[in-house]
Amino acid sequence: DQQVKQNSPSLSVQEGRISILNCDYTNSMFDYFLWYKKYPAEGPTFLISISSIKDKNEDGRFTVFLNKSAKHLSLHIVPSQPGDSAVYFCAASGGGAGGTSYGKLTFGQGTILTVHP
Amino acid sequence: NAGVTQTPKFRILKIGQSMTLQCTQDMNHNYMYWYRQDPGMGLKLIYYSVGAGITDKGEVPNGYNVSRSTTEDFPLRLELAAPSQTSVYFCASSPWDEQFFGPGTRLTVL
Repeated sequence: DQQVKQNSPSLSVQEGRISILNCDYTNSMFDYFLWYKKYPAEGPTFLISISSIKDKNEDGRFTVFLNKSAKHLSLHIVPSQPGDSAVYFCAASGGGAGGTSYGKLTFGQGTILTVHP
Repeated sequence: NAGVTQTPKFRILKIGQSMTLQCTQDMNHNYMYWYRQDPGMGLKLIYYSVGAGITDKGEVPNGYNVSRSTTEDFPLRLELAAPSQTSVYFCASSPWDEQFFGPGTRLTVL
C-alpha cells in the first residue's frame, strides 16, 4: 500500500528552465508535507515543507504547491541549476493514533532530477 | 555541531551474523528514527523513538531491534542477518516534523 507516490522516476531539464516534480498521496489524514533532496552517498536533506492549511509555500527558487482535493503536491524549481541534480523525495506526516504521528514520515519512491548545463 | 552521525559507513556481513548500527545526534532532539532504503524505493521506517526509554515499531521492524537509553544515541541491532536486509540504513532525528538525517550505512549481507 503505497500511500505516497512519485510516478516519475526521472526528470531531465535544461539549466535555467523550470523543474516540476510531482507527488500524489492517498491518506487524507496527512497534514504536513515535506520535500527532501538527496545526493549520492549522503543522507536526505530537508528542502521545503507545507502545512495542509496552506496551498503554497515559497523559499527562494523553490515553491511547493498543495492541492488537497486532488491529494497532489508539486515542487517547482525556478530557475533550475546543475547543482540541483539529485534525487528528490516527497514525504508526508500526520494522522497517527490519538491525533499525533510522532513526526513519522511516509516517503515516496523519489524522482531523479538531472539539470543539463 | 556534528548533527546526526552514523557508524560504520559500510559493512559486509555473512548470513546469520549480528551487528549494531550506531547513531548519535547532538541537537537534543527527542524524536529519532531508523529507515532503510532499497534500490529505486523510498525510505521505509523500521523503528522510532519519542524519547529516552521509549521505542516503537515502524513499517518494517522484523529482524531488527532498537534501544534508547539516552537522548543522543539510538542504536539499531540486526540479529541473524539475512540477504533481504541488504540495504542502506539512515538514522534521523527531529524536534517534530522536519527530520535531520545521518549520512547512512551501506550494509551487504552475503
